[in-house]
Amino acid sequence: SQQGEEDPQALSIQEGENATMNCSYKTSINNLQWYRQNSGRGLVHLILIRSNEREKHSGRLRVTLDTSKKSSSLLITASRAADTASYFCATDRGTALIFGKGTTLSVSS
Amino acid sequence: NAGVTQTPKFQVLKTGQSMTLQCAQDMNHNSMYWYRQDPGMGLRLIYYSASEGTTDKGEVPNGYNVSRLNKREFSLRLESAAPSQTSVYFCASSEVPPGSYQPQHFGDGTRLSIL
Repeated sequence: SQQGEEDPQALSIQEGENATMNCSYKTSINNLQWYRQNSGRGLVHLILIRSNEREKHSGRLRVTLDTSKKSSSLLITASRAADTASYFCATDRGTALIFGKGTTLSVSS
Repeated sequence: NAGVTQTPKFQVLKTGQSMTLQCAQDMNHNSMYWYRQDPGMGLRLIYYSASEGTTDKGEVPNGYNVSRLNKREFSLRLESAAPSQTSVYFCASSEVPPGSYQPQHFGDGTRLSIL
């Protein structure tokens, strides 16, 4: 069963705009991770945020975590065409990661 | 620096045929995983191996078997393929299981069609 659910399912923006994706989950977690998947490729790890952290930055990425609302958001600033991909959140459940269904981001130039 | 390598990249099978998907990692990771990805379903865990010598069922194990051949290799076998197993299969590895704050590294997938 899916643990994380991303919102929106699809997002289309122009280059230079910011993109925000949200993830909600159901049970308590140790950490939440975000992954990117380019078409026809495997998933690539972007960022991990621990349950005791509220915000984390990595380059143009900003992730927030609200454990009281069981939600996380991924912000990509100054989007580029190369950011076009699907983005997944994943939460840990013991020895496994549970992935959401993903947000498909399309950045047009 | 290959990371996680999956073979084959594409395969077409007939219903009832058997096949083994191969996965190897060169990062000296302890944990390995097999997922399937279907349209609109995200990734679902089939089996995982937390460490060499151990394997455990994930969310959707029916119709599959796995072998952790050694620390590097983790194979997935379809004994009698069914059309419902048409999917993209991903292998992943991590240094330790997810609860220890380690990311997973993915291969580029095997696209499997069963007619």
